[in-house]
Amino acid sequence: QVHLVQSGAEVKKPGSSVKVSCKAPGGTFSSYAITWVRQAPGQGLEWMGRIIPMLGIANYAQKFQGRVTITADKSTSTAYMELSSLRSDDTAVYYCARERVDTAMDGWGQGTLVTVSS
Amino acid sequence: IVLTQSPGTLSLSPGERATLSCRASQSSSSYLAWYQQKPGQAPRLLIYGTSSRATGIPDRFSGSGSGTDFTLTISRLEPEDFAVYYCQQYGSSPPYTFGQGTKLEIK
Repeated sequence: QVHLVQSGAEVKKPGSSVKVSCKAPGGTFSSYAITWVRQAPGQGLEWMGRIIPMLGIANYAQKFQGRVTITADKSTSTAYMELSSLRSDDTAVYYCARERVDTAMDGWGQGTLVTVSS
Repeated sequence: IVLTQSPGTLSLSPGERATLSCRASQSSSSYLAWYQQKPGQAPRLLIYGTSSRATGIPDRFSGSGSGTDFTLTISRLEPEDFAVYYCQQYGSSPPYTFGQGTKLEIK
């Protein structure tokens, strides 16, 4: 399956923001959405939101509304997920994945560990 | 839509048949996918559109169901199949959700 490349691990203070990048293979943005999913330690997968890069349209889970912003730079085939007002329970591995209605999420990034600690 | 997976943990031996369930809180026009995740790894797509196998997925994996009840079946377990499995509803109208996962462990 296709691999996306994410930025490295981050350690953040409570109340700060983090921005994680996700570079997709060329051509991905023309026909796929990019979705962000997170996984807290020992927990399941949690859908955060997605963007359709060609349209610039983003949708977010209600839980993260107002705190998360997903963007995409078509010129570099890179998507970004920024999460603000970080809390300790935002400590998790954050994944990006490419997604399409006829294939679901068939390519994933390696994950980025974000640790929120004072 | 809330997805509820059962059982939470399934203990079986290699060679046995595994049946994993995913129940949706309501019927919708969205699609159903299944993912496998091993420790320290990103999830891997197994099944999309309820019953279509993703590229490179062995035919011992199959998906079925409709409405609110969906099933992932592994016909004959191999040692590498012991992992956590998640169902997910997706489509053209987000937000989407995942089930809480089923851990398939060696008996």
